[in-house]
Amino acid sequence: AQSVTQLDSQVPVFEEAPVELRCNYSSSVSVYLFWYVQYPNQGLQLLLKYLSGSTLVKGINGFEAEFNKSQTSFHLRKPSVHISDTAEYFCAVSSSVDSSYKLIFGSGTRLLVRP
Amino acid sequence: DVKVTQSSRYLVKRTGEKVFLECVQDMDHENMFWYRQDPGLGLRLIYFSYDVKMKEKGDIPEGYSVSREKKERFSLILESASTNQTSMYLCASSPGTGWGQYFGPGTRLTVT
Repeated sequence: AQSVTQLDSQVPVFEEAPVELRCNYSSSVSVYLFWYVQYPNQGLQLLLKYLSGSTLVKGINGFEAEFNKSQTSFHLRKPSVHISDTAEYFCAVSSSVDSSYKLIFGSGTRLLVRP
Repeated sequence: DVKVTQSSRYLVKRTGEKVFLECVQDMDHENMFWYRQDPGLGLRLIYFSYDVKMKEKGDIPEGYSVSREKKERFSLILESASTNQTSMYLCASSPGTGWGQYFGPGTRLTVT
């Protein structure tokens, strides 16, 4: 079984500052990792995903994430945020070795970008 | 682009009513999912389906049932709505492992 921990429920940051949203996972098997964004009153949109290969993954809207197997982490970063990045961000994990298509989600981190 | 649509964005129902939430995807995906989203709890899986007429319980199936008669459509049924089922309901579809899931816009259900 897998689990995901998002260490911060809310992250306030000023516009144009860098940001890191933290995600740690637990799994006894190899995993795929995902970050989703949810804008107010909308569904979730895939930001980026790690399947294999390079541990640095680039996604949409200037976001990137780094897979660290030894620390079982998949932190999301952006070098300079905009007001429009204000949203809730979810980290998710799925097993890569069985046929389960289920995603296990973290509880979310609310990013608040202030002018 | 993959499109997942949900029948209603907002819904208000009374306690004890039977409620149907409909989800349709247009990309011929095998797998479909229903989640509920509550503040501080993230997304919790209610049911999922990996083929027509096939379903499996998720983490919180109590009080819910599902139906998948056609590949593109996955319905969530609240047999007798209760106030603790007031929540945001999200539908998703996926072509398979490693692709992630594609989400609909959600239905905010209020049970009074």
